[in-house]
Amino acid sequence: GAVVSQHPSRVICKSGTSVKIECRSLDFQATTMFWYRQFPKQSLMLMATSNEGSKATYEQGVEKDKFLINHASLTLSTLTVTSAHPEDSSFYICSARGTGRGYTFGSGTRLTVV
Amino acid sequence: LAKTTQPISMDSYEGQEVNITCSHNNIATNDYITWYQQFPSQGPRFIIQGYKTKVTNEVASLFIPADRKSSTLSLPRVSLSDTAVYYCLVGDGASGGSYIPTFGRGTSLIVHP
Repeated sequence: GAVVSQHPSRVICKSGTSVKIECRSLDFQATTMFWYRQFPKQSLMLMATSNEGSKATYEQGVEKDKFLINHASLTLSTLTVTSAHPEDSSFYICSARGTGRGYTFGSGTRLTVV
Repeated sequence: LAKTTQPISMDSYEGQEVNITCSHNNIATNDYITWYQQFPSQGPRFIIQGYKTKVTNEVASLFIPADRKSSTLSLPRVSLSDTAVYYCLVGDGASGGSYIPTFGRGTSLIVHP
């Protein structure tokens, strides 16, 4: 079946540094990937949609210069949290949609900014 | 995008059948209904998807009435490991489609011994 691999599963970084999260589709090509953020006891909130070879589309209120998304190939999308601050601490989840397939989610990345 | 409404929480006991209903009054003709399960600190996991009537797989059943304005996820004989948050999503996602998976609040199911 369709598998999405997300790394790292958890990361701790210092305030002001940048963190990159990778999302890979292992056995299918993902033309579109989605990035979500989830705070404790809350639902998944869509941050942005990334399409292979083009710029990401960000949801209202999400800073595109802070959350850099790159979808350079049909199997890899990356989310870079730049100049991270404690309020960016959250659970980040990616999802991929391949041609003719439904949606598969990564296992998530727990980001803690100290 | 069809908005969904689910109960915030439900409690059950091991061995019981659990039914979680989702309302989606403005579902479109091309929309499918998909249910996901999420455990703490994990990504959502696909459970079942349907368009109309009844769909059954090895883990759950999905009942959809003729007007398709609601759907019911049925989990037979739940166990403690079924404690999770369950999300109902509506959109044209059966075979790719063009919709964006958007999550509502979900239903937190707690299964007691």
